Amino acid sequence: QVQLQESGPGLVQPSQTLALTCTVSGGSISSGSYYCSWIRQPAGKGLEWIGRIYTSGRTSYNPSLKSRVTISVDKSKNQFSLMLTSVTAADTAVYYCARDWPGTTNWFDPWGQGTLVTVSS
Amino acid sequence: QSVLTQPPSVSGAPGQRVTISCTGSSSNIGAGHDVQWYQQLPGTAPKLLIHGNSNRPSGVPDRFSGSKSGTSASLAITGLQAEDEADYYCQSYDSSLSGCVFGGGTKLTVL
Repeated sequence: QVQLQESGPGLVQPSQTLALTCTVSGGSISSGSYYCSWIRQPAGKGLEWIGRIYTSGRTSYNPSLKSRVTISVDKSKNQFSLMLTSVTAADTAVYYCARDWPGTTNWFDPWGQGTLVTVSS
Repeated sequence: QSVLTQPPSVSGAPGQRVTISCTGSSSNIGAGHDVQWYQQLPGTAPKLLIHGNSNRPSGVPDRFSGSKSGTSASLAITGLQAEDEADYYCQSYDSSLSGCVFGGGTKLTVL
């Protein structure tokens, strides 16, 4: 059974870069097409899609975050990564990675447990 | 302000049926893009309940069902149980925004 696990610093200073990793277990992301999305959720608020990457390396980003986001893949480590630059307090949230299934509209399953990132000095 | 509109809260007694609406527009649900539904239990990650408007993944009870019509979609839960108390989110794609969009979420309270 495929599982995803986010990891990275829980505290990032304003104006710095947030960097998170999503490690996939229970399956190889190199076997066929594999897509991963990053999604975030501020405390007490709703979900916001950040972007996705295909194992081919092709990416798609939320236009509202596109100028600050980079998503990458490391097949040798079975990992996906998220980088968000120039962070502010508004970027404080629980960040999730999820397997992304292509369809008429993509859906997300399963999700990692999430990791809380706080932007503060 | 979410692109997809959901009621902030709904409630029902055990055994009852409740529905949660998700209203979009001509650039998302109305454009023919499918709708997904997720359940988020307190303190946990969201879990896929419905994909492709009405398809249940393996393991999801048939008490949960989804439908779509025009620019809206609905999640119905029958035989309400205490463990159904959670936040529910709809999700689709918006052609104008060129990305995935979520509803603001609906908190289901089992009375």
